[in-house]
Amino acid sequence: AQSVTQLGSHVSVSEGALVLLRCNYSSSVPPYLFWYVQYPNQGLQLLLKYTSAATLVKGINGFEAEFKKSETSFHLTKPSAHMSDAAEYFCAVRGGGYNKLIFGAGTRLAVHP
Amino acid sequence: DVKVTQSSRYLVKRTGEKVFLECVQDMDHENMFWYRQDPGLGLRLIYFSYDVKMKEKGDIPEGYSVSREKKERFSLILESASTNQTSMYLCASGGSDQPQHFGDGTRLSIL
Repeated sequence: AQSVTQLGSHVSVSEGALVLLRCNYSSSVPPYLFWYVQYPNQGLQLLLKYTSAATLVKGINGFEAEFKKSETSFHLTKPSAHMSDAAEYFCAVRGGGYNKLIFGAGTRLAVHP
Repeated sequence: DVKVTQSSRYLVKRTGEKVFLECVQDMDHENMFWYRQDPGLGLRLIYFSYDVKMKEKGDIPEGYSVSREKKERFSLILESASTNQTSMYLCASGGSDQPQHFGDGTRLSIL
């Protein structure tokens, strides 16, 4: 069965600093992996997806993620944090048919001036 | 752009009431999903539908039912609302091999 673990429920960075949000997955088949972002009082918005093509995936708003099979990881990074990046971020793996997603518990990112 | 519309952003109901949450998508997606979101637990799948009138239980279906009479509309029903169903409810839709797209959510309070 597939599962997702996000390390760190809260991450705090300074504006301009590197953002690193960690995600590890468990999957018995080649995984399809996703990162979503949720701004306050909104639904989830797709940031990027990995579907077994390039291992480095670029998404919107300057985010990217690298798929590492040996580490079963799909960490999300952004070189320079902006105040507008403050939000909750969810990693997900597709599993169980019908494009169902299994989500991690989420990481809340705070960005300080 | 895919549009998933949930009928209410905020809803307050009383225990024992029958509650309907509505979701409409405009992209002709086969699959539609209802999740609840609680702090520290991420999103948990309640029910999903892969075609009109077809539905499958998710991870936490107890106390809920769903209806899909038309392809674009997927309704979540709380048969007899209880306080432990106070939560944020998110609807999503997605086609085959397509990412899920989410609505803005309904924050439901049961008093």
